[in-house]
Amino acid sequence: NAGVTQTPKFQVLKTGQSMTLQCAQDMNHEYMSWYRQDPGMGLRLIHYSVGAGITDQGEVPNGYNVSRSTTEDFPLRLLSAAPSQTSVYFCASSYSPGGAGQPQHFGDGTRLSIL
Amino acid sequence: AQSVTQLGSHVSVSEGALVLLRCNYSSSVPPYLFWYVQYPNQGLQLLLKYTSAATLVKGINGFEAEFKKSETSFHLTKPSAHMSDAAEYFCAVSVPGTASKLTFGTGTRLQVTL
Repeated sequence: NAGVTQTPKFQVLKTGQSMTLQCAQDMNHEYMSWYRQDPGMGLRLIHYSVGAGITDQGEVPNGYNVSRSTTEDFPLRLLSAAPSQTSVYFCASSYSPGGAGQPQHFGDGTRLSIL
Repeated sequence: AQSVTQLGSHVSVSEGALVLLRCNYSSSVPPYLFWYVQYPNQGLQLLLKYTSAATLVKGINGFEAEFKKSETSFHLTKPSAHMSDAAEYFCAVSVPGTASKLTFGTGTRLQVTL
């Protein structure tokens, strides 16, 4: 099993450009989520999904869009990149969407710089 | 809403010394608590979790944590630090019925010196 796979690993964008961060998991997990990690701030939830066709906003959703057409994939779209979106982005998945204490499995992250 | 506070953004210990990383939580309902470790340029890896069973939880790599409801704490300990323990450690909380959403602390970077 590959677990949670994120692509690309690194990306540099110019302000105003758009892009999609890819996330795929092969564990048949219902729950998937996107976090951003910034120095001194821990990880903050951007968007999450409890199953195909169902998404919701997290703590910092502005400027990001998601969709979940399959169980395996959960792409994150930056609509118009801004320097404030320079961060490390992590995708995670877990078995249970019901807060039943299942741990989340994390990808290795995408390091994104916006110039 | 739930929250987590990690005291000390940087902790330095000598190899062989006790490791103590502090985590306090706030939750209006019984929480689930997690410790994750992050090595440089990697994702987060689960160390251990508390899900209302035993209050003393043992994890990987010799780490353990004790859930203390009266103190709203979930501190992480290891009796003897190893150089390979140098990493960033995150405490996180989730509560039932919130779709597994995790709220993270700001992290503690552990340095291990000879």
